[in-house]
Amino acid sequence: SAVISQKPSRDICQRGTSLTIQCQVDSQVTMMFWYRQQPGQSLTLIATANQGSEATYESGFVIDKFPISRPNLTFSTLTVSNMSPEDSSIYLCSSWDYPGANVLTFGAGSRLTVL
Amino acid sequence: QKEVEQNSGPLSVPEGAIASLNCTYSDRGSQSFFWYRQYSGKSPELIMFIYSNGDKEDGRFTAQLNKASQYVSLLIRDSQPSDSATYLCAVSPGAQKLVFGQGTRLTINP
Repeated sequence: SAVISQKPSRDICQRGTSLTIQCQVDSQVTMMFWYRQQPGQSLTLIATANQGSEATYESGFVIDKFPISRPNLTFSTLTVSNMSPEDSSIYLCSSWDYPGANVLTFGAGSRLTVL
Repeated sequence: QKEVEQNSGPLSVPEGAIASLNCTYSDRGSQSFFWYRQYSGKSPELIMFIYSNGDKEDGRFTAQLNKASQYVSLLIRDSQPSDSATYLCAVSPGAQKLVFGQGTRLTINP
């Protein structure tokens, strides 16, 4: 299966700052997905990142708050902008192992704490 | 109504017994259904997927799908303490994305 690396694994941030999370896949993938998992909660899809086009955001998530880049088929970044304590979550990057695959693989996640 | 609903639990099952986890979904057009397991502090890992009505077995795990009732379940036979985790039901409504339920916390008691 695909191997997905994320960094940072965790960080403590100050209110009002921004942080960029990087996601690297060990193979070329068409779509990459960014999820948020708030404490004690399940996974909520933030956006789908396609190479060569703007990300598609889910209801409740906007580009100004969560800008995403997808410069190539193996890499994506998610920025959490103007952070508040409510943004304290685990952010997970994921992708299908290959087109038509049945396995959506996740990175280890980036745990952000906003003070 | 949430797109994917699960009983959040916690569900407590004695070791060796059958654990039954249930999930309902709202989008009748959904075609693919997945069960993920998430240990505390870890990212989710796929246990099984199912596309067709009926049962699908993989070792101690059986997934059951009933599209008419919009219901999918996961049975874990001969439950082990290592099965203690949160189980996430996920549904693909299209566009290759997955929508997750809130998860059921399962505890297997030795």
